[in-house]
Amino acid sequence: EAGVVQSPRYKIIEKKQPVAFWCNPISGHNTLYWYRQNLGQGPELLIRYENEEAVDDSQLPKDRFSAERLKGVDSTLKIQPAELGDSAVYLCASSLMDEQFFGPGTRLTVL
Amino acid sequence: GEDVEQSLFLSVREGDSSVINCTYTDSSSTYLYWYKQEPGAGLQLLTYIFSNMDMKQDQRLTVLLNKKDKHLSLRIADTQTGDSAIYFCAESPTSGTYKYIFGTGTRLKVLA
Repeated sequence: EAGVVQSPRYKIIEKKQPVAFWCNPISGHNTLYWYRQNLGQGPELLIRYENEEAVDDSQLPKDRFSAERLKGVDSTLKIQPAELGDSAVYLCASSLMDEQFFGPGTRLTVL
Repeated sequence: GEDVEQSLFLSVREGDSSVINCTYTDSSSTYLYWYKQEPGAGLQLLTYIFSNMDMKQDQRLTVLLNKKDKHLSLRIADTQTGDSAIYFCAESPTSGTYKYIFGTGTRLKVLA
């Protein structure tokens, strides 16, 4: 069974540019999460979806970050415009029950 | 507030036991988890313990939970070079919300 798929794996952009990350969760998993992991830190939740509904976006910086999960399957996370402090690994996870399964992440570098 | 703390580094020799410690602050946590992260990879769930348990053993892994002190530990027996990774503990403060609070991670280095 395929795991959580994320793309791209790496992205380098200049500040003020937009960037988007894509996630395909494990088939049948209703819950999808986006996390940000700063260097030397644990992941921090940005947003959680139940099917297509964002049920917890309290930690998402809404001035520049947006996310969507059309049709309750794939999801995209967008940053516009990116800032230097956005450099991090962006992890997507999905779950059916309590256990969360993580993708490999997208490492974003903002120059 | 919610805070999960871990020591940053641990170095052990191959064949020895490793003990990774974690302290958390939310006494209402229902589940506590241990995840492993290898370079360039996502997090892999190793094991978890329910808050009404004191100990859980799974092959080489032993999890101990001290609720009074809000202390969680992961013991890896017969540590191998393939165990070198970053280990994260995580708490789920409220049952059913699926919200995880992760620690800062402990980098385990296994010396051959």
